[in-house]
Amino acid sequence: KNQVEQSPQSLIILEGKNCTLQCNYTVSPFSNLRWYKQDTGRGPVSLTIMTFSENTKSNGRYTATLDADTKQSSLHITASQLSDSASYICVVSDRGSTLGRLYFGRGTQLTVWP
Amino acid sequence: EADIYQTPRYLVIGTGKKITLECSQTMGHDKMYWYQQDPGMELHLIHYSYGVNSTEKGDLSSESTVSRIRTEHFPLTLESARPSHTSQYLCASSPIWTSARTDTQYFGPGTRLTVL
Repeated sequence: KNQVEQSPQSLIILEGKNCTLQCNYTVSPFSNLRWYKQDTGRGPVSLTIMTFSENTKSNGRYTATLDADTKQSSLHITASQLSDSASYICVVSDRGSTLGRLYFGRGTQLTVWP
Repeated sequence: EADIYQTPRYLVIGTGKKITLECSQTMGHDKMYWYQQDPGMELHLIHYSYGVNSTEKGDLSSESTVSRIRTEHFPLTLESARPSHTSQYLCASSPIWTSARTDTQYFGPGTRLTVL
């Protein structure tokens, strides 16, 4: 069964600290993996997208890694800010075509305290 | 910032009312989607469209219906709202698939629906 599991479910860190969020998936075949940031009451916004051949992708203070062999990805946030408080969602696409299907994780709820 | 809009942002209505949630995008995307999301849960696809006059049901059974008469517009209708329809509804769009590196969806801000 194709699934996307994220951990931890929630995380609280102090402003300025780093953190790493995890995503494990069993989706096959694999096309790409995306990390989205979703602020409360808003729609998700794409942070990074990685294909099979990419094992790291950065977007400012966000760095995503992908190990396609172990089917694991992580999102590392450096020097966290209060505005980083949000849900971070891992999404995996199962094939490279218009008919590709998306599998969503439940997200990690990150809270950054001052 | 994605050019995809949803109205209303918040809606509180009584049981039995007919409602239409609006979604429009100005990016010329052919593909559009409706998702339902409950707090702390993953997004569930309820409808999608590959272009004008194309609509399909998603993975999650839904009593809602959609239409796609214009490329930029993808409204979702509930003929008779019930408390079980209370949820967040997210609209998304994406261009025709060209490569795995650029394949992404752009989401609207969502509509928070509460049915009393």
